[in-house]
Amino acid sequence: AQKITQTQPGMFVQEKEAVTLDCTYDTSDQSYGLFWYKQPSSGEMIFLIYQGSYDEQNATEGRYSLNFQKARKSANLVISASQLGDSAMYFCAMREVIFGNEKLTFGTGTRLTIIP
Amino acid sequence: DGGITQSPKYLFRKEGQNVTLSCEQNLNHDAMYWYRQDPGQGLRLIYYSQIVNDFQKGDIAEGYSVSREKKESFPLTVTSAQKNPTAFYLCASTTQSMNYGYTFGSGTRLTVV
Repeated sequence: AQKITQTQPGMFVQEKEAVTLDCTYDTSDQSYGLFWYKQPSSGEMIFLIYQGSYDEQNATEGRYSLNFQKARKSANLVISASQLGDSAMYFCAMREVIFGNEKLTFGTGTRLTIIP
Repeated sequence: DGGITQSPKYLFRKEGQNVTLSCEQNLNHDAMYWYRQDPGQGLRLIYYSQIVNDFQKGDIAEGYSVSREKKESFPLTVTSAQKNPTAFYLCASTTQSMNYGYTFGSGTRLTVV
């Protein structure tokens, strides 16, 4: 079963508009972490934002915020006032600890294109 | 500056050959990871290591091997048993803390010719 699901393969958004990238996850653990990464065409993975399962408030980092709905197991990324430089692949990922071993599992990603 | 160095950036392999991808970090991180990324796809975990001289298989370990003789180094060998090795390979590291992000290298693009 998919641990991380990103249902939007691609999105086109007008510059300066806000955009929401969807992410749902599946885990039976009580302690886990959720990440969003940006991957431009150069291939590097850029860390954007982190949400811990016990964090009561939604995480925010500049123009990025994470809409964390624990009961629905969703962790959507919101980018406010989008810019041309936001065009990239975006990946949602979940950190789990299984039998003492920690690993990060990724979704299939969403390709975001900002239109001038 | 601290970070992860992957080399080479581009690698070409003939069918039937083994190749080794290098990953070195100077962040003093305990855990290191290898991911494979196919075009337009997400990252899939190949192998990971939490401490020196110990490593675990990820979701797609077949046809790959690793070693962890030093804390700073986690090389990945793509063996001839890997039937479709052409992909983008990313190495990552982290500390043993739930609040700490993963640091990624810049990747190696492997092509079978």
